[in-house]
Amino acid sequence: GAGVSQSPRYKVAKRGQDVALRCDPISGHVSLFWYQQALGQGPEFLTYFQNEAQLDKSGLPSDRFFAERPEGSVSTLKIQRTQQEDSAVYLCASSGYNEQFFGPGTRLTVL
Amino acid sequence: AQSVSQHNHHVILSEAASLELGCNYSYGGTVNLFWYVQYPGQHLQLLLKYFSGDPLVKGIKGFEAEFIKSKFSFNLRKPSVQWSDTAEYFCAGSGAFGNEKLTFGTGTRLTIIP
Repeated sequence: GAGVSQSPRYKVAKRGQDVALRCDPISGHVSLFWYQQALGQGPEFLTYFQNEAQLDKSGLPSDRFFAERPEGSVSTLKIQRTQQEDSAVYLCASSGYNEQFFGPGTRLTVL
Repeated sequence: AQSVSQHNHHVILSEAASLELGCNYSYGGTVNLFWYVQYPGQHLQLLLKYFSGDPLVKGIKGFEAEFIKSKFSFNLRKPSVQWSDTAEYFCAGSGAFGNEKLTFGTGTRLTIIP
């Protein structure tokens, strides 16, 4: 497809479980961003990759959050030992230059 | 610190009414500004963007926005709304050096009554 895809679309986890969220960016897009959107809020920046290099991870809320993009294409956001406050929609966006295209998001619910 | 604020949390209008959604920003240095829309059940889509030049920018679906530097504002406008404009609207800003992270406002939910 031509757009950004994310999987799974919905994830329910028990508190303490680890989760992995996948993002497939638009082919050829060098830049990839992850955002977290809590209910009723705007998206908040988590981390940024340029190719395989993670250039900014200042938005990751704790060391339980980890992101990678080993081959400069697909990216995975991993959350270890999930907590209830991690419940949110996780958005991925890719960019060629200056315009970010968003995926549909993964809605994570931690029980 | 960079910030974007949207003061209208929920706006309800009748079809054919005119729309203006407020957005104010606080950025150190040159800023790029964006409006995104999220229709029910769909992902975020770009409505319009301002990088430099003409402060009045036109986007898709008849939307426009005006960058007023003296007021730190980038309000979204549409002269006549349609029921299909019902959606959540997000204003966002970034630095102007290319591929910088977006800072979003909290969003405005727009409901159009037929």
